[in-house]
Amino acid sequence: SQELEQSPQSLIVQEGKNLTINCTSSKTLYGLYWYKQKYGEGLIFLMMLQKGGEEKSHEKITAKLDEKKQQSSLHITASQPSHAGIYLCGADIPGGSQGNLIFGKGTKLSVKP
Amino acid sequence: NAGVTQTPKFRILKIGQSMTLQCAQDMNHNYMYWYRQDPGMGLKLIYYSVGAGITDKGEVPNGYNVSRSTTEDFPLRLELAAPSQTSVYFCASSPLPQGTPFYEQYFGPGTRLTVT
Repeated sequence: SQELEQSPQSLIVQEGKNLTINCTSSKTLYGLYWYKQKYGEGLIFLMMLQKGGEEKSHEKITAKLDEKKQQSSLHITASQPSHAGIYLCGADIPGGSQGNLIFGKGTKLSVKP
Repeated sequence: NAGVTQTPKFRILKIGQSMTLQCAQDMNHNYMYWYRQDPGMGLKLIYYSVGAGITDKGEVPNGYNVSRSTTEDFPLRLELAAPSQTSVYFCASSPLPQGTPFYEQYFGPGTRLTVT
């Protein structure tokens, strides 16, 4: 079965610093989703990557998909306290039922003001 | 639009009790899902539905049941609650993909359940 490994598990950065979160799949990635979760709340969709080499940005968050490495990275530039939360990557299950995703365990990000 | 709503937000159950977690969406989405999230373990799919009247098991269905009588509602039933079912439960929905094979899921705020 496919698994998604996220690194690091947790991260504490000073406000204004850049950071990167990685999501590595044990099998070929066909679609990769990034979600953000704040404590006590549901997941908020950030971005979806479909093709190898694809890169998308939303405000100060950029995500890339490297198909060869079976990996996606999420980069935050000039982090702010509002970026704090848990970031989860999700992927479509190859050959799985429609819309079923598997998720990584999440990366907890704290931003110190 | 309210999006995906879940009730209750919190619940404490005693071992052996039963309850239903409610989930509703007002976006006319065909697909709906139930996940559980345990600390440090990510999300695990319990059940999903591709439309009214159609449900199927996910990765961890044991101890749960679902029904989908309408497009809007997707309740999750716990029979004979056990401490292992202590978790945060999320409901999600997604529309039919448009032009791509990928499904953007919209999540509810979650129900925090404790079984003691």
